[in-house]
Amino acid sequence: DSGVTQTPKHLITATGQRVTLRCSPRSGDLSVYWYQQSLDQGLQFLIQYYNGEERAKGNILERFSAQQFPDLHSELNLSSLELGDSALYFCASMSGGSTYNEQFFGPGTRLTVL
Amino acid sequence: AQSVTQLGSHVSVSEGALVLLRCNYSSSVPPYLFWYVQYPNQGLQLLLKYTTGATLVKGINGFEAEFKKSETSFHLTKPSAHMSDAAEYFCAVGDSSYKLIFGSGTRLLVRP
Repeated sequence: DSGVTQTPKHLITATGQRVTLRCSPRSGDLSVYWYQQSLDQGLQFLIQYYNGEERAKGNILERFSAQQFPDLHSELNLSSLELGDSALYFCASMSGGSTYNEQFFGPGTRLTVL
Repeated sequence: AQSVTQLGSHVSVSEGALVLLRCNYSSSVPPYLFWYVQYPNQGLQLLLKYTTGATLVKGINGFEAEFKKSETSFHLTKPSAHMSDAAEYFCAVGDSSYKLIFGSGTRLLVRP
């Protein structure tokens, strides 16, 4: 158990819909990362937040957005869903923001778009 | 920009045999390098990491990796494979914003 929780574990929805994925980082970790794992794209970094502020952006579509709340949990919002958005979405947390500490990964949310 | 190449999408070894998973990186700055393991239906778990210092890094579960700057490599090894090592392994390089750039992964199969 990494200490990072993600809900829900599985999500099945239809094209055009909007979903929200939730992540609770390890206690005390200020950094939250979102990654997408798909068969064709592999593991890709989407976005990072540090203590409530966006720190870095990767290959995140404009239809996707995220935020980190004062209690440090984070949500990833996916809208106008397409079949190609079906993937495993991971959240990871890391303590601090200035050194390479370990990123701890949650178990992921498997999104299926039908 | 940093990148990672993992040679071999699948590697098959016999139980008790040497495990060698290859990783080459590209980085314009001294790299931070990581190996993660993913068991079926689970998240990623850190095996080991190289930041600075000793080039031979020991990790969990008997794995180790050697950072070779001249070869831009960070290959993962284990002297004797166990059935429980069957999983997918990802090499990653960290960039200046501390995000991870992953390789495409290598699935390790262990034959009895």
